[in-house]
Amino acid sequence: EPEVTQTPSHQVTQMGQEVILRCVPISNHLYFYWYRQILGQKVEFLVSFYNNEISEKSEIFDDQFSVERPDGSNFTLKIRSTKLEDSAMYFCASTPGNYGYTFGSGTRLTVV
Amino acid sequence: DAKTTQPPSMDCAEGRAANLPCNHSTISGNEYVYWYRQIHSQGPQYIIHGLKNNETNEMASLIITEDRKSSTLILPHATLRDTAVYYCIVRVQAGTALIFGKGTTLSVSS
Repeated sequence: EPEVTQTPSHQVTQMGQEVILRCVPISNHLYFYWYRQILGQKVEFLVSFYNNEISEKSEIFDDQFSVERPDGSNFTLKIRSTKLEDSAMYFCASTPGNYGYTFGSGTRLTVV
Repeated sequence: DAKTTQPPSMDCAEGRAANLPCNHSTISGNEYVYWYRQIHSQGPQYIIHGLKNNETNEMASLIITEDRKSSTLILPHATLRDTAVYYCIVRVQAGTALIFGKGTTLSVSS
């Protein structure tokens, strides 16, 4: 069964550093998403991406965040200057549009 | 998107059917009901979705009331591996963002 692949599985970074989280969505999917989940809290929507541009974003997705689909397969989330409160699991998801999302297994980001 | 209401937790004995309710009284005509689950801290997993008719797949059944104001997810023979947080989400089709609530924590015990 096709999977959404996320790398790395765990990343530790110093406060103020830039991080890039990587995702390979399922190849024939058209919509791509990033979510985050702070430990013990609910899954929060960050941003959706369709046709090479952001289609929706939440209040959380401020200027420190950016997304990119640099080639036909990768989908990345960049956090420019990490803060302690950015520590969370980050999930990538994709969908062809008319069916359920497929989520990746996540990247655990720890900011120290 | 319409708001959903789910009980915070439920228990189920292994081998029995788990019936998870969801209220979505403000649902509009073009909104679908989706169910996902999250096992521990894994990525959420799609279970099933429907618009008006009842739906069944290899994982579960979805029963939607005729007025569409509520639905029930049925796991016919719950196992310990079904212990998870279950989310009922209502949204318009085709690519719009899923917004997760707190869901129902289902605990299956032997």
